[in-house]
Amino acid sequence: GAVVSQHPSWVICKSGTSVKIECRSLDFQATTMFWYRQFPKQSLMLMATSNEGSKATYEQGVEKDKFLINHASLTLSTLTVTSAHPEDSSFYICSANGQATNYGYTFGSGTRLTVV
Amino acid sequence: KQEVTQIPAALSVPEGENLVLNCSFTDSAIYNLQWFRQDPGKGLTSLLLIQSSQREQTSGRLNASLDKSSGRSTLYIAASQPGDSATYLCAVMSGGYNKLIFGAGTRLAVHP
Repeated sequence: GAVVSQHPSWVICKSGTSVKIECRSLDFQATTMFWYRQFPKQSLMLMATSNEGSKATYEQGVEKDKFLINHASLTLSTLTVTSAHPEDSSFYICSANGQATNYGYTFGSGTRLTVV
Repeated sequence: KQEVTQIPAALSVPEGENLVLNCSFTDSAIYNLQWFRQDPGKGLTSLLLIQSSQREQTSGRLNASLDKSSGRSTLYIAASQPGDSATYLCAVMSGGYNKLIFGAGTRLAVHP
């Protein structure tokens, strides 16, 4: 149980285009979903926290107009990287927690974004 | 501000050794602590979750302890195997919105 599905697993896009990444909790209702970014050989950096039906809370230094987060339901959150540039290339990982996970975190498998 | 530190940053051992990975955190006001495993280019797999009221958790060859007052946790891996090679991340849940704060990880290599 407590599976989080993230899609796509990898994507290549051209500079200036937008990319949407989906994060779904498959068998539980996620109270909160989180988006992380990870650079090579570095740890995860929290980008934003989202609760269903409300605006996301962004960490300091994260541009909310560039990284749009929508959390329309208890099982789906999306991250849209708008007007992507090569420096946005990174590994993006979502996670979710809820009562079913005993409020521990379950992570998606990540999305490798490459902007060319 | 909560900060999480993991020592060592990297570890290379022969198969069969028992290992201890260390994690420390600066603010003892945590809800829980979680150990994860990450394989290269992959997401995170949860290994053990310790609630703030607990002292340890065990799963197979893994045992994690938590000393909240001193801000420390250890992950013990018994009889290491090459398949244990991965990066091990420690994270604490604390602060508003139940944020999960990660350490930089310990990269483990177990060679045959």
